[in-house]
Amino acid sequence: QVQLVESGGGVVQPGGSLRLSCAASGFSFSDYGMHWVRQAPGKGLEWVAFIRYDGANQYYPDSVKGRFTISRDNSKNTLYLQMSSLRAEDWAVYYCAKGSISWLPHPDFWGQGTLVTVSS
Amino acid sequence: QSVLTQPPSVSGAPGQRVTISCTGTSSNIGAGYDVQWFQQLPRTAPKLLIYGGSNRPSGVPDRFSGSKSGTSASLAITGLQAEDEADYHCQCYDSSLNAWVFGGGTKLTVL
Repeated sequence: QVQLVESGGGVVQPGGSLRLSCAASGFSFSDYGMHWVRQAPGKGLEWVAFIRYDGANQYYPDSVKGRFTISRDNSKNTLYLQMSSLRAEDWAVYYCAKGSISWLPHPDFWGQGTLVTVSS
Repeated sequence: QSVLTQPPSVSGAPGQRVTISCTGTSSNIGAGYDVQWFQQLPRTAPKLLIYGGSNRPSGVPDRFSGSKSGTSASLAITGLQAEDEADYHCQCYDSSLNAWVFGGGTKLTVL
């Protein structure tokens, strides 16, 4: 069955950096685009990044563009999110999610998330 | 402020029918992009409930149904059960933002 396991979350000071990882199993990882989606405490979901199945293209909302980088290693079935210049408003649970098979892949299966706390 | 607008909360008694609305604009729902609905039980990750506006993944009961009209979409839950108490989120693609967007989420309380 599909399994996504995030890791790398923790406490970081404003302006700091952190790299999240997402280990995938139970499906052909290299065939699917992948998302990162976050949820601030008590808030709704916010899309953070998407990468195509082959890593050729990455997409971001304006809120993280230039600060976050999504990447993947298909040989290791692993998705990454490099976060830099972190701000208080980046404090959230970060989920990785498998993209659907469609021309605009929506998140379909989600991992359990990893908490990123931005605080001095 | 979320791009898609949902009511913060809805409630219903066991066995009743409830609906949750998701209002967008001409650059997302109104443009014909697929609408998805996710269920998030307390302290868990979101789970896909409806995709493509009205399709249910395998294992999702037919008590859950989705529909769309114009720039809005709706999730209906019939035969409400205690285990349906959760947060529900709508999602779509927005062509003016070039982004996947979500509603603010709706908390369903089963009375």
